[in-house]
Amino acid sequence: QVQLQESGPGLVKPSQTLSLTCTISGGSITSGVYHWSWIRQPPGKGLEWIGYIYFSGSTYYSPSLESRITISADTSKNLFSLNLSSVTAADTAVYYCARVSSSSWAFFDYWSQGTRVTVSS
Amino acid sequence: DIQMTQSPSSLSASVGDRVTITCRASQSISSYLNWYQQKPGKAPNLLIYAASSLQSGVPSRFSGSGSGTDFTLTISSLQPEDFASYYCQQGYRTPYTFGRGTNLEIK
Repeated sequence: QVQLQESGPGLVKPSQTLSLTCTISGGSITSGVYHWSWIRQPPGKGLEWIGYIYFSGSTYYSPSLESRITISADTSKNLFSLNLSSVTAADTAVYYCARVSSSSWAFFDYWSQGTRVTVSS
Repeated sequence: DIQMTQSPSSLSASVGDRVTITCRASQSISSYLNWYQQKPGKAPNLLIYAASSLQSGVPSRFSGSGSGTDFTLTISSLQPEDFASYYCQQGYRTPYTFGRGTNLEIK
């Protein structure tokens, strides 16, 4: 059973960088069948896909956030990370990491529990 | 980006009712449409992928249909645990996009 667990600060100051890590257990980040994604959900709102990384290191970012995002992976530790720079209050959200099938239908079948990040001074 | 429009945004129903939620894509996405259920304070849970394939472990009262631009999620007989929010998501092209959600409430 695949499990995903995020870690990182719950409070970030405006203009600083939000950094989160997602540790994978019960599966390998080097599996070529999957991409590994970040998704967020502002309070009371819907879901927004942020981007994904493939174990080879290739990435794809949402164009709306692309200028501020870096997603990286550490295959030796079986984890991937999100850095979101120059944050504002609009980046306050619950952040999820998730596994997405890279073969065809691109569905998110395993999710982390979510971590709430607040941007505030 | 492909826009996903869900309707209704909220819905009141009773246990035992048959409920249908619709999702429309701004362009054809073939059958690259997935449905999720989300309960308060929890992560979304995959229900249906590829428009009509039931994810393992999901009760058979959930079903999906459609192709191209128009899709539906049907719950054949609502159970108390089904009151939640539902989201569609297109997997046809990045950036992957979600509908705004349907909040299913108890009448």
